[in-house]
Amino acid sequence: EAGVAQSPRYKIIEKRQSVAFWCNPISGHATLYWYQQILGQGPKLLIQFQNNGVVDDSQLPKDRFSAERLKGVDSTLKIQPAKLEDSAVYLCASSLTDFISYEQYFGPGTRLTVT
Amino acid sequence: QQQVKQSPQSLIVQKGGISIINCAYENTAFDYFPWYQQFPGKGPALLIAIRPDVSEKKEGRFTISFNKSAKQFSLHIMDSQPGDSATYFCAATPTDSWGKLQFGAGTQVVVTP
Repeated sequence: EAGVAQSPRYKIIEKRQSVAFWCNPISGHATLYWYQQILGQGPKLLIQFQNNGVVDDSQLPKDRFSAERLKGVDSTLKIQPAKLEDSAVYLCASSLTDFISYEQYFGPGTRLTVT
Repeated sequence: QQQVKQSPQSLIVQKGGISIINCAYENTAFDYFPWYQQFPGKGPALLIAIRPDVSEKKEGRFTISFNKSAKQFSLHIMDSQPGDSATYFCAATPTDSWGKLQFGAGTQVVVTP
């Protein structure tokens, strides 16, 4: 079974530029999560999708971050404009559903450096 | 605010020794407590998980101990091996926010040969 795919793996941008990350979850997984992991910290949930609907985006900085999951499969997370403090690894995870199986499968992440 | 507090930040253990990582929480609504293992350049992977209706769960060399009254849980890695060198995260999720994991800050474990 293929795991969660993410691209790109690394991205370096200057502050005030925009960037987008892509995630393809495990086939059949209805729930998709985006996390931000700052160096030395645990992952922090940014947004959770159930199929193509948003379940929780309470910790998403909506003035600069946006995410979509069209057709309920793959997803993109965008930052515009980026700030220095956005430097982090952005992890995508998926699970069968959010109420049947708690197990979340994580992708390898995209390491973003904002200079 | 950090809802799950994890300690120590790092630990070094000799091969064959026992690694112990502790976590504490305040939210009594938490009802699922997983531990994740993360290697450099990889995403976290589920290692073992426990629900509050049991006090201990063992899978191979990994054991979770859970103390509901103290709101604490811990991971014990028995017979630690160099391949166990990784960062370990405890997490918790509440009943009313299915799947919304709250992670601890992580513990970097180094197992020396």
